[in-house]
Amino acid sequence: GIQVEQSPPDLILQEGANSTLRCNFSDSVNNLQWFHQNPWGQLINLFYIPSGTKQNGRLSATTVATERYSLLYISSSQTTDSGVYFCAGSARQLTFGSGTQLTVLP
Amino acid sequence: SAVISQKPSRDICQRGTSLTIQCQVDSQVTMMFWYRQQPGQSLTLIATANQGSEATYESGFVIDKFPISRPNLTFSTLTVSNMSPEDSSIYLCSVETREGEKLFFGSGTQLSVL
Repeated sequence: GIQVEQSPPDLILQEGANSTLRCNFSDSVNNLQWFHQNPWGQLINLFYIPSGTKQNGRLSATTVATERYSLLYISSSQTTDSGVYFCAGSARQLTFGSGTQLTVLP
Repeated sequence: SAVISQKPSRDICQRGTSLTIQCQVDSQVTMMFWYRQQPGQSLTLIATANQGSEATYESGFVIDKFPISRPNLTFSTLTVSNMSPEDSSIYLCSVETREGEKLFFGSGTQLSVL
């Protein structure tokens, strides 16, 4: 199966700062998704983005399928953005990366 | 999106016992999955729950240890059998909507085995 690598593993921000999270995958995928797991464990689907760019409020994501990577941008971060961000990609079943632990300080 | 109800939300169990986790979806979905998240780790797919037939298990997971039922398009159960402390994890039900490939998760079951 494919390998999914996320960076950075940990990120600490001051409220209001911007950040970029990266996801690299080892092979072509036809499905790429970003998730946020809040501190209470709930997983929220942020984007389904096998290619191109999408925006949802302060979050946006870009996938460059030909270069096998995806980026998640968080602008004007808030304390509620804290948690773990996972990307997951597949050609068959989703494989999750190891996640980026984001902490936003007030 | 789909509303997914999973229960129990948490349980503490004794070694050697079994626990059945239920997952109920508010609409018919084609694909249902069970994931495990070990402490501080990422998510690993256990199996795909197939309606009316045996589940499809991923490498490292077997039916005797994780029997799965899926009697209809809105409901599934996962049983963790003959538990040991190594089974302490969060178990998550997830579904793909009919409209596309987005994956949605239930709130998870936090299992601790003593």
